Amino acid sequence: RKEVEQDPGPFNVPEGATVAFNCTYSNSASQSFFWYRQDCRKEPKLLMSVYSSGNEDGRFTAQLNRASQYISLLIRDSKLSDSATYLCVVNMLASNYQLIWGAGTKLIIKP
Amino acid sequence: DVKVTQSSRYLVKRTGEKVFLECVQDMDHENMFWYRQDPGLGLRLIYFSYDVKMKEKGDIPEGYSVSREKKERFSLILESASTNQTSMYLCASSFEPSNEKLFFGSGTQLSVL
Repeated sequence: RKEVEQDPGPFNVPEGATVAFNCTYSNSASQSFFWYRQDCRKEPKLLMSVYSSGNEDGRFTAQLNRASQYISLLIRDSKLSDSATYLCVVNMLASNYQLIWGAGTKLIIKP
Repeated sequence: DVKVTQSSRYLVKRTGEKVFLECVQDMDHENMFWYRQDPGLGLRLIYFSYDVKMKEKGDIPEGYSVSREKKERFSLILESASTNQTSMYLCASSFEPSNEKLFFGSGTQLSVL
């Protein structure tokens, strides 16, 4: 079983819709969690951190469920520019030396 | 804005060649990382460095070595390239270990024939 698992997609979603996807992690000792965004043939960029209390940034909301060991990302009022691959990242330590990366969920927003 | 620059966007090498991938960051970051990214797999850490002349193995160091002679530069070396090292290589940097944000270079797509 992979340490961090994501549905690879693609999720095909009409513009303006709300879309959500999850990421499960296997190690209950995991301490911090992140979502990165990666555009096609580009480098990953930090989208947002995921706190125990949840985190909201504009149209994006990230949630953590420690009991079930998953994090989620919800995108409201999706835009064409949201099309990308979303990478889930889990950190078991206090430092960023050993981040565990999911393979990503591909999202395609259609006009 | 932080800039992490990788020397080549695309590289084609032959089996057995020695390959150098260069990475330079301009924000005086302490930590630098080399990852590889393959389809269907998450990023995998090859090596990282938290200071000049310091290096630590990541999850998949076999077949690779690194060099960090200056703070801003972190080089990845494939001593004898093999076809299973065909991959996208991503360099990243961060200010401190507890800093959650990694800044990535645009990547080098290496093909080993």
